[in-house]
Amino acid sequence: AQKITQTQPGMFVQEKEAVTLDCTYDTSDQSYGLFWYKQPSSGEMIFLIYQGSYDEQNATEGRYSLNFQKARKSANLVISASQLGDSAMYFCAMREREYGNKLVFGAGTILRVKS
Amino acid sequence: GAGVSQSPRYKVAKRGQDVALRCDPISGHVSLFWYQQALGQGPEFLTYFQNEAQLDKSGLPSDRFFAERPEGSVSTLKIQRTQQEDSAVYLCASSRLAAYSNQPQHFGDGTRLSIL
Repeated sequence: AQKITQTQPGMFVQEKEAVTLDCTYDTSDQSYGLFWYKQPSSGEMIFLIYQGSYDEQNATEGRYSLNFQKARKSANLVISASQLGDSAMYFCAMREREYGNKLVFGAGTILRVKS
Repeated sequence: GAGVSQSPRYKVAKRGQDVALRCDPISGHVSLFWYQQALGQGPEFLTYFQNEAQLDKSGLPSDRFFAERPEGSVSTLKIQRTQQEDSAVYLCASSRLAAYSNQPQHFGDGTRLSIL
C-alpha cells in the first residue's frame, strides 16, 4: 500500500487565487510528521511546512497552510494568493517514528500558475 | 554558501563504469541522507548517517551501491559497475538533529546521473 498518495498529477490556478494540493497518508504509527516540499524545474527541494501528528493546530508558514485532518489521514497544502513563482512540483512526505528519520515521498503534484 | 552542496551537478558514465557522488552537508548537521529520484517521481530513500555511523542502508538497491561518511561531515555515494537503471537524480539532505524530531531535511541541488 502506498504510504503517501497525491491524487492530482497536475493542477492549474489563476494568479492571486488560492489552491489546495491533496495528500493522504497511511500509517499505524501514533507519532509521525508530515512535510511539504517544493521542487522547481531547477531541481532543488525546498522545505515549505511541517505538521506533527500531535499538533492540535494546523501549521501555517506565510502563504502556506496545512489542512490537517488526522481522522481522515489527510494533510492538504493550501497556497493562498498564488504567484507565478509558485509554479513547481510539490511533494508531500511523511516521517514515522518507527522507521527513524527517513522521509517517504508521494509522487508529487505539478502546479502551474496562470497569469 | 550555507546550504547542502553536491558535486558534480551532472555526471555521464558508460555502463559498467564506477561513479562517485559527493555531498557536503550544512555545517554542524548530524544527520545525512541520500535519496534517489527517478524522472517524474518522488525521491526514494537510500541510506542514512548519524555523524559517521551508517544507521540505515535499507534503501540501497543492490550491493553495487556503497555510501560512506568517514569523518561525520562530507559523504560519498559510490555506484560500482553502473547499469542503465541507475540513471536518476541523486539527492543528499542533512538535518541538524539526530533523534526523531520535527527538524526538516535540507536538500542539495542533486547530481543528475546518466548511464549510457
